[in-house]
Amino acid sequence: ILNVEQSPQSLHVQEGDSTNFTCSFPSSNFYALHWYRWETAKSPEALFVMTLNGDEKKKGRISATLNTKEGYSYLYIKGSQPEDSATYLCAFQGRDDKIIFGKGTRLHILP
Amino acid sequence: DSGVTQTPKHLITATGQRVTLRCSPRSGDLSVYWYQQSLDQGLQFLIQYYNGEERAKGNILERFSAQQFPDLHSELNLSSLELGDSALYFCASSVLFGTIYFGEGSWLTVV
Repeated sequence: ILNVEQSPQSLHVQEGDSTNFTCSFPSSNFYALHWYRWETAKSPEALFVMTLNGDEKKKGRISATLNTKEGYSYLYIKGSQPEDSATYLCAFQGRDDKIIFGKGTRLHILP
Repeated sequence: DSGVTQTPKHLITATGQRVTLRCSPRSGDLSVYWYQQSLDQGLQFLIQYYNGEERAKGNILERFSAQQFPDLHSELNLSSLELGDSALYFCASSVLFGTIYFGEGSWLTVV
């Protein structure tokens, strides 16, 4: 059974602070690691797709890193803003193209 | 707007009944994925089709079936419905091994 684990499950962060969370995935059969942002009452929206060990991606204040050898990825948010409140999902994409999601990290930004 | 269209948006039906959820992928996308989101569960992968053929199967119950038609739209059929089948069903589409784009989901309530 393929397990994609995200931690923490939930996180409260003061506005202006920086934060990060983790996604762990199997290191075998790896093709890509995806990060998605999911706001309440909307559908998940793609942030990053990373395929190479050591990949780093950045979009504004959000960045992500990838370590395929040890099977983890970090998502960083710098200077959190209220609009960053959402659930952040990571997803493992295998060489069979199957995409398996973690349960997400629910981020709450406190004013 | 992701370009992925799902219908219906909301559906209420009785136990034992059968329903069909429909998905039209983004223009040019050959892959269609179905996911189930229920209370306290992450996005559970059900099934994937690529250009009309089943490509990968996840935790899809035998009471559920899906297909992708020549025009690339897909249908998820849920039969002998039980209360526990109440969930948000997402369809997503992509090019092979690409970022997946989600529809807005179909809310199914079984009463």
